[in-house]
Amino acid sequence: EVQLVQSGAEVKKPGESLKISCKGSGYSFTSYWIGWVRQMPGKGLEWMGIIYPGDSDTRYSPSFQGQVTISADKSISTAYLQWSSLKASDTAMYYCARRVDTAMITYRAFDIWGQGTMITVSS
Amino acid sequence: EIVMTQSPATLSVSPGERATLSCRASQSVSSNLAWYQQKPGQAPRLLIYGASTRATGIPARFSGSGSGTEFTLTISSLQSEDFAVYYCQQYNNWPRNTFGQGTKLEIK
Repeated sequence: EVQLVQSGAEVKKPGESLKISCKGSGYSFTSYWIGWVRQMPGKGLEWMGIIYPGDSDTRYSPSFQGQVTISADKSISTAYLQWSSLKASDTAMYYCARRVDTAMITYRAFDIWGQGTMITVSS
Repeated sequence: EIVMTQSPATLSVSPGERATLSCRASQSVSSNLAWYQQKPGQAPRLLIYGASTRATGIPARFSGSGSGTEFTLTISSLQSEDFAVYYCQQYNNWPRNTFGQGTKLEIK
């Protein structure tokens, strides 16, 4: 079964650091990009950034550039999203999702999603 | 950045009826548009990609149309499990893919 399994919910204090994970299984991890999507409480989906685990090529939305770091370890089929100093406004559900690496743009939708990781930042 | 605008914000439809959801792009995204369904407490699920191609396992009552800047998701005969929030996403503008704000489909 193809799946992305994310790490569990976290409760952190402002200023703390955090790294959450997304592990792929059932497919060739290096044939797909892994994207991260934020969903603040009661709100819509926001595209944060994306990484290609094959060579760690990483792109960010301007809104999230410098605020988070996306990385991957292809040897264990896992992508990461990390913060160096959390803020209360980082409280949200974070999803990872995959999309195929292809020159054919029409196929580049996110076809498999992780279950989400809820991050709560509160003093 | 390409802005995606969905309408209406909320759509009330009776089971068995047809639902039509709209998505507009601030500039052309060709046919590089996807629709996702999200139920409460669940991750989004891909319904449509390439503006009109159903993803694997998606029932035929879901259909997508449009190109350029105007897109439509139609659900031909609403089932109880279809009441959810629907998002469009453009992935033509690499790497700045963007989502619409969502349409909540509720039971009338």
